[in-house]
Parts: sequence; structure tokens; C-alpha cells
Amino acid sequence: ETGVTQTPRHLVMGMTNKKSLKCEQHLGHNAMYWYKQSAKKPLELMFVYNFKEQTENNSVPSRFSPECPNSSHLFLHLHTLQPEDSALYLCASSPGQGSGYTFGSGTRLTVV
Amino acid sequence: AQSVTQLDSHVSVSEGTPVLLRCNYSSSYSPSLFWYVQHPNKGLQLLLKYTSAATLVKGINGFEAEFKKSETSFHLTKPSAHMSDAAEYFCVVSVSSNTGKLIFGQGTTLQVKP
Repeated sequence: ETGVTQTPRHLVMGMTNKKSLKCEQHLGHNAMYWYKQSAKKPLELMFVYNFKEQTENNSVPSRFSPECPNSSHLFLHLHTLQPEDSALYLCASSPGQGSGYTFGSGTRLTVV
Repeated sequence: AQSVTQLDSHVSVSEGTPVLLRCNYSSSYSPSLFWYVQHPNKGLQLLLKYTSAATLVKGINGFEAEFKKSETSFHLTKPSAHMSDAAEYFCVVSVSSNTGKLIFGQGTTLQVKP
């Protein structure tokens, strides 16, 4: 365990479904991140939250909707996804500038 | 602007031989640099980090990296590869901001042959 917990570990969903990914950390970190990792592509930063406020949205389609109710929890709500959205979704947290990230184990998402 | 380039997409070594994974960075200020490892179907694990202290940084599992400002490099090395070292390795540079945002390299796949 890294201190960042992601659930579920695996998710298969149809294109018309609505599902949510959950990320939780109790490391006292102030920043939380969502990354998408597709096969043969570099990690793509999706969203950044700092002290519960969204500070970055990297032109992510609106079918991905993040939510950060407090500094310990981060969600990614999914609806009407496309097959190309199938990927490993990684959550990370950090104490701030110059510090590394602590990653969760990821959610392997398959859209059918 | 900050950026990072991993010079090899794939490195293959024999077990017991040295490992060298190359990384060059670009930064307009003194950066923080990291190496992460990702085993198949796992999240990323921090191997080591450089934050303007000693230029030779020791990490977990026998890995180390040397920060060379004159060459803008931060290569990862290990004297003797083990089968369990087979994984994807990412070189990472920090962005100067309050969010602690990191920029990841494209990754290098390390194959270890028996």
C-alpha cells in the first residue's frame, strides 16, 4: 500500500453507463491529480486539485467530471464514454512544489 | 518551460550486468528531478529524487542517479540487473508552481534477460 487507494481496481462499462472512480489518501497531502495512461502513450495529466480547488483541466472532454469534496478524496465521474477512453486511470497526491507524487495502483477501465 | 526526454524507449540487459537509463531535462531554473518505476498493471513507485542537495542520489532497490547540470542529464544506473527490475521507468521534472505539477518523460521499458 502506498497510502493512496483507488477503487475499483478494474471496471468494465458500456458506453451508456455512468460510473465513478474513487481515490483516497490520508497522507495529509494538499494536491491531488488524475492521470490517464493509455498503451504506447505517455501519461496524460487530466486534472489537478489544490486544497480542494481545481487548478488545472487539460482540455479533458466533459464526459469526464472530477469532484474533490475534501483534501483526502477525489472522484472521477464517467458518463457516455467511448472505447478510446479505455485506459489505466491513475490518481496521485503530493504535499506541494518540489515533492514527488504518491500514486495509487490505478483503475483499469474498459469501455465496451 | 520544463521538459524531459528519455533517450531510449527500450533497453535490454542480461541479468547481473549494469543498467543505464538515460534522461535529459530542460529547465529554466534549478529543477527537482525524479525517477519512477511501474511494474505491469501497477501504479508508479518513486525510485529516487533530486532536490538540489547531493548530486548523486541513491534510491531503492540499488538504483542511483547523478544530476549533471553541465550536461542537463539525470541518468539512472544500477550495477547489476535483477530479473525483478524488468519494468517501465519514467524520468520526471517538476514545474515551478504551487501545485507541485510534474512533467513525465515518455518512459523506458527495461527488459532483463536470464
